[in-house]
Amino acid sequence: QLQLHESGPGLVKPSETLSLTCTVSGAPISSSPYFWAWIRQPPGKGLEWIGNLYYNAESYYNPSLKSRVTISVDASKNQFSLKVNSVSAADTAVYYCAILMGPGAPWRFFDHWGQGTLVTVSS
Amino acid sequence: QSALTQPASVSGSPGQSITISCTGTSGDVGAFYYVSWYQQYPDKAPKLMIFDVTKRPSGVSNRFSGSKSGNTASLTISGLQAEDEADYYCTSYTGSSTFIFGTGTTVTVL
Repeated sequence: QLQLHESGPGLVKPSETLSLTCTVSGAPISSSPYFWAWIRQPPGKGLEWIGNLYYNAESYYNPSLKSRVTISVDASKNQFSLKVNSVSAADTAVYYCAILMGPGAPWRFFDHWGQGTLVTVSS
Repeated sequence: QSALTQPASVSGSPGQSITISCTGTSGDVGAFYYVSWYQQYPDKAPKLMIFDVTKRPSGVSNRFSGSKSGNTASLTISGLQAEDEADYYCTSYTGSSTFIFGTGTTVTVL
């Protein structure tokens, strides 16, 4: 059974880098036919797609965040990670990892979401 | 890239049917048959309810159905139940493995 779990600091200072990890259980990242995704939700607001990564490092990002975001994979740990540089209060949100799936390409819907982790940007 | 437009709130009585709209553009909703819908309870992760406009994942009630016309997709909940009270979000594929979410709709069961 596929399960995802986010982890990382809950508090980040302005202008610093936000770093989160998503640990995957139930399937090997390196050989699974999925993209691995990050999505966030500011408190009381809607969902925002951040980006997707394939195990071969092929990645795609939200144009509004692309200059500050990196998604990477560590197949040896069955994890994928998110880094957001130069954060501000606007980056305060619950961050979710999820699997981008589809019965064939293009992968086109999100399933097996993690429980989410709140990251607050504050000094 | 602006969010897809959804009504902020929709309400209905138990047993009634309600429809939530999701309006995009010819570059997203209108261009692809790849709209999905998610249900989210407070402080919980979203759950996939509909994918590819009309398809239900295994385990999702057949009271949930989806459709699309032009640049607008819709989610219909028939036989409304108290457990359907939640937030609902649409998402559209926008090409090259990129996506856009809707603004979200709060469903209230009266």
